[in-house]
Amino acid sequence: DAKTTQPTSMDCAEGRAANLPCNHSTISGNEYVYWYRQIHSQGPQYIIHGLKNNETNEMASLIITEDRKSSTLILPHATLRDTAVYYCIVSPYNQGGKLIFGQGTELSVKP
Amino acid sequence: NAGVTQTPKFQVLKTGQSMTLQCAQDMNHEYMSWYRQDPGMGLRLIHYSVGAGITDQGEVPNGYNVSRSTTEDFPLRLLSAAPSQTSVYFCASSYRTGGYEQYFGPGTRLTVT
Repeated sequence: DAKTTQPTSMDCAEGRAANLPCNHSTISGNEYVYWYRQIHSQGPQYIIHGLKNNETNEMASLIITEDRKSSTLILPHATLRDTAVYYCIVSPYNQGGKLIFGQGTELSVKP
Repeated sequence: NAGVTQTPKFQVLKTGQSMTLQCAQDMNHEYMSWYRQDPGMGLRLIHYSVGAGITDQGEVPNGYNVSRSTTEDFPLRLLSAAPSQTSVYFCASSYRTGGYEQYFGPGTRLTVT
């Protein structure tokens, strides 16, 4: 079973920030939080990952709570091309290749 | 770099037939893996490899074999196809096992009748 809980679906207006929550209340100290997305049955695409600190790259920001029991992926200016299923995954550092995918959040960006 | 390539893109098999799904990467990645995705579901790990000559089972390994004779290639063999193996198969690779992004191929859509 996936170790994360995400909303099934979310909507976001084009140009606005999309904030995707993820609950991982049973996360262990050696587990990273990874975010991937899958656009229309293509292969999943890596977005970002983090351990404790907030992270930012050219695609998104990842905010992890201090107790590490939840996180939020932020797409700062969502576009129609960001419409996808977003997966939040926790995995031990030395098993980061063994990703356990849940159902994910289906994000719809609307004009 | 071509990244992760998979062949074929589509395949139809009859029950009981065998076949090999091909996966190759040109990024000199140590780690490679195979996932399957059934309609409306997330991906499930079938087998993975942490380097040439080393493979291990994932969540759903039954009915599939793998080998890793080279760093570049990681073929997935269906021994005797069953309708329950109708799915989309994705291959992925990463530099190492932990803390690195995985690159996914475009997928192979397999139908078993």
